[in-house]
Amino acid sequence: QKEVEQDPGPLSVPEGAIVSLNCTYSNSAFQYFMWYRQYSRKGPELLMYTYSSGNKEDGRFTAQVDKSSKYISLFIRDSQPSDSATYLCAMSASGGSNYKLTFGKGTLLTVNP
Amino acid sequence: DAGVTQSPTHLIKTRGQQVTLRCSPISGHKSVSWYQQVLGQGPQFIFQYYEKEERGRGNFPDRFSARQFPNYSSELNVNALLLGDSALYLCASSSFGARKGETQYFGPGTRLLVL
Repeated sequence: QKEVEQDPGPLSVPEGAIVSLNCTYSNSAFQYFMWYRQYSRKGPELLMYTYSSGNKEDGRFTAQVDKSSKYISLFIRDSQPSDSATYLCAMSASGGSNYKLTFGKGTLLTVNP
Repeated sequence: DAGVTQSPTHLIKTRGQQVTLRCSPISGHKSVSWYQQVLGQGPQFIFQYYEKEERGRGNFPDRFSARQFPNYSSELNVNALLLGDSALYLCASSSFGARKGETQYFGPGTRLLVL
């Protein structure tokens, strides 16, 4: 079993839809949870960062972490064609000396005008 | 502020050759990490360096090596290239404190093709 599981999609939605992206994980030591957006042939761009459980909102994006279920989500409201990209979840056990990020495979999202 | 920069952007090599990839972190960041991203997969951790010392190593063969310089820039070296080394190589920088809320910022990557 991989440490981080993410449905690779692809996911195709109409413009304006609410998008839900999810990851599950098996390592209970993970405390830091991130979502990155990666456009084709580019480096990952940090979208959301969450420590431990709870919700975090930033504009149209909401990140949720449920450590008891080992499940994290990213919601995108009022999705736009410019949101079309691969979304990667990433996790870390520590923000300090052992700062290795473990990524999911990524979910390819297409928002159709 | 400039973000993480990497060079070259693209590279084509043949099997058995050696390659050196370069990375400059965000100004003020002292830690650099390297990741390999094979097409269709998430990035895989290769190395982390802080203050010129290796602080973490992923599950990669000894053909992969890296170093960090006094100005915190870094090089990743891969010897005896294999076809399977074809990937996007990503560099990430962080300020590497022990405080909560710090994370890694990625560069655009170097795309390596091994023929």
